Amino acid sequence: DAGVIQSPRHEVTEMGQEVTLRCKPISGHDYLFWYRQTMMRGLELLIYFNNNVPIDDSGMPEDRFSAKMPNASFSTLKIQPSEPRDSAVYFCASNPQGHFYEQYFGPGTRLTVT
Amino acid sequence: KNEVEQSPQNLTAQEGEFITINCSYSVGISALHWLQQHPGGGIVSLFMLSSGKKKHGRLIATINIQEKHSSLHITASHPRDSAVYICAVCVQGAQKLVFGQGTRLTINP
Repeated sequence: DAGVIQSPRHEVTEMGQEVTLRCKPISGHDYLFWYRQTMMRGLELLIYFNNNVPIDDSGMPEDRFSAKMPNASFSTLKIQPSEPRDSAVYFCASNPQGHFYEQYFGPGTRLTVT
Repeated sequence: KNEVEQSPQNLTAQEGEFITINCSYSVGISALHWLQQHPGGGIVSLFMLSSGKKKHGRLIATINIQEKHSSLHITASHPRDSAVYICAVCVQGAQKLVFGQGTRLTINP
């Protein structure tokens, strides 16, 4: 398997623009997680899905952030409008059994909002 | 105070030394994860523990649930072990991971 795939790997955008990050989990993994990593706050869970259904979105910072999982092989994280403080590395991870199983991380998307 | 505290924050050692990284947490947990983040940014899961001890190659992870403490040990350290090591706990009842700030390890040849 190719592992968790994220695109784009790097994104530079101007403040106010819409940003869409994409993730393809490992086939057969029922859980998908979106994380954000910054120097100040480290790694934070934003939202996770089980069988395409959002289970916990309490980590989503504000209404500008939204995530969807239209099918088992694709998820998006959207920021609209983007702000400079959204600059971070966004990781997607998947696994077959939730938090009681090791996480398989994608390579991350480095987002810079100017 | 953070729910998950790691120590030390930075550690530099010589090749071959025995390394210990500590993780303390203040909440009830159902599992604890150790992750490795390479200099290039990629994150790899090393261990998931709910009790006792696990070993994988030169890496050993232990957890003491009563003391709310876990340690990650590296035997015969090598420059390729240089990375950031992150502890994360699955908070009991909350079904979410809370992460420590990470320990940056540098092994010099």
